[in-house]
Amino acid sequence: GAGVSQSPRYKVAKRGQDVALRCDPISGHVSLFWYQQALGQGPEFLTYFQNEAQLDKSGLPSDRFFAERPEGSVSTLKIQRTQQEDSAVYLCASSAAEQVRAYEQYFGPGTRLTVT
Amino acid sequence: AQTVTQSQPEMSVQEAETVTLSCTYDTSESDYYLFWYKQPPSRQMILVIRQEAYKQQNATENRFSVNFQKAAKSFSLKISDSQLGDAAMYFCAYRSPISGNTPLVFGKGTRLSVIA
Repeated sequence: GAGVSQSPRYKVAKRGQDVALRCDPISGHVSLFWYQQALGQGPEFLTYFQNEAQLDKSGLPSDRFFAERPEGSVSTLKIQRTQQEDSAVYLCASSAAEQVRAYEQYFGPGTRLTVT
Repeated sequence: AQTVTQSQPEMSVQEAETVTLSCTYDTSESDYYLFWYKQPPSRQMILVIRQEAYKQQNATENRFSVNFQKAAKSFSLKISDSQLGDAAMYFCAYRSPISGNTPLVFGKGTRLSVIA
């Protein structure tokens, strides 16, 4: 079956523009995570959804970052008034959470955001 | 909060030789999961191997094996018979099983080069 897909793969935005990044998880996966990966760093957690509910948004760096998953499948990460420090790769991962000890997260290829 | 440390920013290995990547972590939990992920230039994060903390036996997956030292909080990855396709960034990651699906905590990564 298809894996996690993300679009666009690359996005260049001028400082101050709004951007929207899309994630299509594996069909049927309940859990969805967003991570931010700065250049030369490991991914860092941004936010987590279980179905349509955003259960954890503790990693969002500012109120300019907003994520949604209205129907419990596709998710969108929106960044308003982009700043240069927002330049990074944004990774999406999904996981089947039916099992109590479910632990494997499947990653998409990421969106590389460059803010000029 | 849990932290993951990878002290080797870069490593190199000759093709067909063996290399070990180091990882240490800090946690107060007794049950958790540890992972090694591979990230090639395509940015797709690929799971290499996982270890559950309650299992004393070290995990192995073909040419990949780990040395899990729970008391020392150490989780190294050994790659045997290295191949050119093993060249990538390798990330060590920690996950707490508490309260269902929780995010991964990543180290900063080790860039592995394979020399023909």
